[in-house]
Order: sequence, then structure tokens, then C-alpha cells
Amino acid sequence: DTAVSQTPKYLVTQMGNDKSIKCEQNLGHDTMYWYKQDSKKFLKIMFSYNNKELIINETVPNRFSPKSPDKAHLNLHINSLELGDSAVYFCASSQDRVGGPRPWEKLFFGSGTQLSVL
Amino acid sequence: DQQVKQNSPSLSVQEGRISILNCDYTNSMFDYFLWYKKYPAEGPTFLISISSIKDKNEDGRFTVFLNKSAKHLSLHIVPSQPGDSAVYFCAASAADSWGKLQFGAGTQVVVTP
Repeated sequence: DTAVSQTPKYLVTQMGNDKSIKCEQNLGHDTMYWYKQDSKKFLKIMFSYNNKELIINETVPNRFSPKSPDKAHLNLHINSLELGDSAVYFCASSQDRVGGPRPWEKLFFGSGTQLSVL
Repeated sequence: DQQVKQNSPSLSVQEGRISILNCDYTNSMFDYFLWYKKYPAEGPTFLISISSIKDKNEDGRFTVFLNKSAKHLSLHIVPSQPGDSAVYFCAASAADSWGKLQFGAGTQVVVTP
């Protein structure tokens, strides 16, 4: 059973299109994230949700809209795709901020979605 | 502005020898550091972490050392095995950052027989 699963694995689309990436975790975690790995290979946080509430919203264009229907799911919708959106997008989850030495930083990542905008 | 830097993009080491991966950071508010390992076509997986109140943490073949005054940490893998061939990411966070990790660009480790 995959702990954090995201679909699709590959996404090739034209500029201007709208697309969504779905993420689900079966670990019972309360916090979920979207990270973007750019062409320079840096992983940068985009959003974080805790129990369906947005808690981190980095400087990301408004074209990116996360949606969390429940604490096990965090989807990412992207409007009007641009060439610069091409990257690998990783979903992740972590335990809630209770007990232990910073458990919420031990992230569990999905396998990534390679987005290519042509 | 990259606050976590891994200046060696790649490292080649013979099986059985020690691998040493380095990581530097600039933000003095960082107080928790982690290493993640990533295989191709997979997401990063947690490897080992260290709090700023310690200067060393060991887990089997993996040891992380922290030098706060130099804002430097390193990961030692002893002995290196072929299955250790992967990209290793250094990450750091500050208190109350709600899981907002700052990652380095990664170091590709290749362990040769």
C-alpha cells in the first residue's frame, strides 16, 4: 500500500490549459504539503494544509489553487499553465505537531508528478 | 536566496569506503536539520535528523554531525553500499515553521563496486 500517492505521474500539456494533480495519503497524518522541484533541483514548499486548513501559502501565483476536501487529500489545480510551470511537483504529509521532537518535519513524500508545459 | 547549500553536486565513492556529504546554511534561526534520500522516479525519504542542541546523531551506518558555529552539517555513511547510490538532500527548519523545510539542491552519490 502506497503511503502517499499522487496522480498522474506524468502530465504533458499545452500552454494556457488548466490541469489538476491529485494527492492522497493513508498514514492518518493531519498535515499535507505541495513542494515544487525546479530545474535547479531545489525543493521549495508551495502550500501546507493542517486538517483542511491552509497554514502555509508561499509566494505562488494565484493560478495555483490547492484544495483539501478532507485531511487525507490535497489536490493542486493550476490554471492557465505557463512554460515556467514545468517542474516536478511533490505531495507530502507529516504527523501533527504533537509529541516528540518536531515530528511534523519528517515528511513522507509521494513519487512526484512530472509536469511538462509545451 | 538559498539558505541551505550543498556545494558538491556529485560524489563518487568505492563500496566499503566512507561517504561524506556536506551542507551549509545561512539562517541562524534554523534549529533542526534533516537528510533525505531520493532514488530516481521516487519521492525523497527521510534518512536522519539532528536538533541544534546536539552535535552528533547516529543511526546504523549513518551519522550526522552539526557544527553550529560554522553553520555546517555533514552526513557520514560508513561503510558505503551500492544501494546508497541516490541523491541526498539536506534540509533545515526553524521553530514554529510548521514543516516549512528549506532544502539544498542535493548531492548525487554513486557507490562503485
